[in-house]
Formats: sequence, C-alpha cells, structure tokens
Amino acid sequence: QKEVEQDPGPLSVPEGAIVSLNCTYSNSAFQYFMWYRQYSRKGPELLMYTYSSGNKEDGRFTAQVDKSSKYISLFIRDSQPSDSATYLCAMSFMDTGRRALTFGSGTRLQVQP
Amino acid sequence: EAQVTQNPRYLITVTGKKLTVTCSQNMNHEYMSWYRQDPGLGLRQIYYSMNVEVTDKGDVPEGYKVSRKEKRNFPLILESPSPNQTSLYFCASSLSVGGTPYEQYFGPGTRLTVT
Repeated sequence: QKEVEQDPGPLSVPEGAIVSLNCTYSNSAFQYFMWYRQYSRKGPELLMYTYSSGNKEDGRFTAQVDKSSKYISLFIRDSQPSDSATYLCAMSFMDTGRRALTFGSGTRLQVQP
Repeated sequence: EAQVTQNPRYLITVTGKKLTVTCSQNMNHEYMSWYRQDPGLGLRQIYYSMNVEVTDKGDVPEGYKVSRKEKRNFPLILESPSPNQTSLYFCASSLSVGGTPYEQYFGPGTRLTVT
C-alpha cells in the first residue's frame, strides 16, 4: 500500500465549477501537508501548505486537513481554464533535516471554457 | 529572477554511458534535492544536500551519485545508466532556516531516456 493515495483523474469540469481534490495517507506521523501545482512540462510549484489539522484559505483555494481520518482536500472555487494542471499532494514529518516530501501520484485537472 | 535551472532538459542515451545532469539555483539556498517522477508513483527523493559538502541518500539512491562543492550547484551523476532510470528528474532547493517550512522550489525537469 502506498503511503499517500491520490486519484489520478483526469478530472474534467466546466469553467466556474467547484473542484474537490483529495488524498488519503497511512502514516499518522505526517505533520505538514502541502499542495503543489504542476503545469505541463514544468516543475511543481507550491500552492498551499498546512501544519497539522484545520483549514487554510487563499483566494479561490482552500486546503483542509483531517488528521483523524488521514484525509486532506483542496477545493478550488470558480475554477478557471488556467487552473488546468496536475495537482500533487505532499506530506512531511516534523524532522527539519532531510526535508523529504512524500508525494501523491497527482490528479490531472482540466477546466473546460 | 529567482529560479532553479537544469540542463539538459531532454537526454537520450544508451545503457552504461556515464552522464551528468546539472542543477543550479540563484536563491542562495542551503538545501538542495533531487527527485524522480514516474507515472503512478509520484515524485521520489533520490539524494539531498543540507549544505556544501553535506549530502545524504533519499528513498531511491541506487545507481545515482551527487556532489555539492558549491552552494549554488548540485549535479546528479549516473555512472552507468540503465533503462530503469528512464524518468523525469527534478532538482529542488529551499532555505534551511526561515522561509516557509518545506517550501521547495523546483526546476523545470530533465526527461531522461536510457535505451
């Protein structure tokens, strides 16, 4: 079983829709939870990060972490064609030395104009 | 412009022919890392470096070498490439002190094919 599971998609939605992207994980020691966005032929870029449980909002994006269920989500409101990309969840432990990120395999999102 | 650069972006080579993928960052970051990205597996860490002359293995280090002689550069060396090293490789860097914890800046990627 992978440590982090993520539905690969593709997920196709019309412009303006609310998008929900999700990851589940198995290791309860993860403390930092991140969402990276990766456009085609580009490297991942950090979109949002959350420490421990709770919600975090940034513009049209909301990240949620439910540690009791080992489940994290990213919501995109009023989705735009420019949001079309692969979204990777990533997690990390408290150890600040190695800074290893454990990634999900990514969900490809297509927002149709 | 703050960035991580990688060269080459695309490389096709044959089994056993030594190659080096270069990585350079202009943000004065102490921490640098190499990942490989494979379909269905996500990104997996190969090696990382906390600072100059300090390197250590990640999750999948077999078949790879790295060096960190300068703060800005972190080359990935494949001494004897094999077809199972065909992958998309990313270099990343971040601050070790301050900044957003675990915020890593990724390069544009190097697509390597070993035949």
